[in-house]
Amino acid sequence: AQSVAQPEDQVNVAEGNPLTVKCTYSVSGNPYLFWYVQYPNRGLQFLLKYITGDNLVKGSYGFEAEFNKSQTSFHLKKPSALVSDSALYFCAVRDFTGGGNKLTFGTGTQLKVEL
Amino acid sequence: DADVTQTPRNRITKTGKRIMLECSQTKGHDRMYWYRQDPGLGLQLIYYSFDVKDINKGEISDGYSVSRQAQAKFSLSLESAIPNQTALYFCAPRGGGLYNEQFFGPGTRLTVL
Repeated sequence: AQSVAQPEDQVNVAEGNPLTVKCTYSVSGNPYLFWYVQYPNRGLQFLLKYITGDNLVKGSYGFEAEFNKSQTSFHLKKPSALVSDSALYFCAVRDFTGGGNKLTFGTGTQLKVEL
Repeated sequence: DADVTQTPRNRITKTGKRIMLECSQTKGHDRMYWYRQDPGLGLQLIYYSFDVKDINKGEISDGYSVSRQAQAKFSLSLESAIPNQTALYFCAPRGGGLYNEQFFGPGTRLTVL
């Protein structure tokens, strides 16, 4: 089965500093990868996805993600963090096993941006 | 996503009660999914439907059932609620095509006492 791992439960960063939220994947076949963000008391919002092509994917709110096939990683990045970026971030992979088509999610990383 | 509505937003119930969570969407997507979120576990798929005549079990379907009343409506039922079904539940429509992202509703917070 397809899976993703988010090795950090929480990431702390100072406002204005670059941030990275890590994700590694394990898939058979080509990986189709997604990042979502969840603000308190809200549903998940789509940030960006990698299907094919350029390894650097740009998304919403100034976020980008770098796909690295040799390291099986898809890390989320932002050059300059904002306090308003504080939220729960999920990495996900498209899973076609069992004849279905669903997203398999990581366990989430809580990002805290402090002044 | 403002085009996905879930009712109720919060519900407290007792063990053994039947509960229905409702979802409707105005995006016209034919695929709809129900996920459950527990702290530290991410999201797990309960059921999904590709059209009104197609219902499929996800990885944690035991204790749940669903009904696809129309393309825009997909409800989740707990026939006899138990405390370990206390969680945040999300409905997530998706458009056709293999790689389209899913849109999530605001969620229903369910507490089973």
